[in-house]
Amino acid sequence: EPEVTQTPSHQVTQMGQEVILRCVPISNHLYFYWYRQILGQKVEFLVSFYNNEISEKSEIFDDQFSVERPDGSNFTLKIRSTKLEDSAMYFCASTLVGTGQNSPLHFGNGTRLTVT
Amino acid sequence: SQQGEEDPQALSIQEGENATMNCSYKTSINNLQWYRQNSGRGLVHLILIRSNEREKHSGRLRVTLDTSKKSSSLLITASRAADTASYFCASSGNTPLVFGKGTRLSVIA
Repeated sequence: EPEVTQTPSHQVTQMGQEVILRCVPISNHLYFYWYRQILGQKVEFLVSFYNNEISEKSEIFDDQFSVERPDGSNFTLKIRSTKLEDSAMYFCASTLVGTGQNSPLHFGNGTRLTVT
Repeated sequence: SQQGEEDPQALSIQEGENATMNCSYKTSINNLQWYRQNSGRGLVHLILIRSNEREKHSGRLRVTLDTSKKSSSLLITASRAADTASYFCASSGNTPLVFGKGTRLSVIA
């Protein structure tokens, strides 16, 4: 069964550094998402992406965050200047159609970001 | 916010018992979904129930939806140690899925 893959599985970075988290969504999916989960907490929506542009974003997704689909397969999340509170698991997800159209999310296994 | 909220936050049962988790949400929805998360892993979709459905089954899973009360329940029958995980509900309207805090289920062999 096709799956969403994320790399790296664990990223350690120093405060103020830039990080890029990478995702390869399922190949025929059209909608892409980033969520994050601070250890032991709820899963929080960051951003959704469709047709090469951001369709929705949350309050968490401020100017230090950006997303890109640089080619036909990768979907990246960039954090420009990391803060300690950015430490979390970051999950990429994809769907064939929008979730409001009764389509479940397919998640990757996440990247654990540790900011020191 | 249409965020789902699960109840209880944690549940511990013996293998073979049934586990029931509840979820409440705030606004009108197109569907409600349940996901499972093993420790340190991604969320895995379990079951989706549409707003015009009242009950749905999948193997040992049974989901109900009461749109008048804005609530849903997930029942896992004949639980196994391998069912130990966190379970999240997520409500879907015209915005991306919003997850609750989850129920941590521990099934003791």
